[in-house]
Amino acid sequence: DIQMTQSPSSLSASVGDRVTITCRASQSIDSYLNWYQQKPGKAPKLLIYAASYLQSGVPSRFSGSGSGTDFTLTISSLQPEDSATYYCQQSYITPLTFGGGTKVEIK
Amino acid sequence: EVQLVESGGGLVQPGGSLRLSCAASGFTFTNSWMSWVRQAPGRGLEWVANIKEDGSKKYYVDSVKGRFTISRDSAKNSLYLQMNSVRAEDTAVYYCARYNGLPTNHNWFDPWGQGTLVTVSS
Repeated sequence: DIQMTQSPSSLSASVGDRVTITCRASQSIDSYLNWYQQKPGKAPKLLIYAASYLQSGVPSRFSGSGSGTDFTLTISSLQPEDSATYYCQQSYITPLTFGGGTKVEIK
Repeated sequence: EVQLVESGGGLVQPGGSLRLSCAASGFTFTNSWMSWVRQAPGRGLEWVANIKEDGSKKYYVDSVKGRFTISRDSAKNSLYLQMNSVRAEDTAVYYCARYNGLPTNHNWFDPWGQGTLVTVSS
């Protein structure tokens, strides 16, 4: 199985800060990597697919990059509504696997 | 509006059975792979199962193989998860999601239902 490792597991940042979350796959997954945002008590929401493509309706302050084993999700200017947990997920092969999540809090 | 609505969750005893349902609307159900993803309380996301558009292919995470069965009914635009021999570790919110993507085989979960809670306890 492909293991997905996210770091950090949590972070606290101020409004307007640039935030970067990393996701590492245990083997190469090309660009088969997606990012989701989940707020408490809510279902996850797709942010980025195929490593770098912004899902329709998602603010442009979110961006994704990477290929192979190392990926990043960047929030260019953190907003209060971005407080959430973020998950990466590989779609390269079953079993489909998620990272452990990164909880983003606003200072 | 694309929508997925799960139902069927509840309290079930260890070793018991439960059937989850997911009603789909707002998109062509017969053209979509579908999935179940679960989240144990306070934990991360875990993919459970996928089913092809026509139901001809099904994939499961190892921990549920032989106990859970994913199925679909195109006439009812509905997805199901039959859960047998449930264990305490199956306690989770279960989400249904469309598993869709590009011709390049890049796929993703979108949208997701609101989830239904399954609690396995005596």
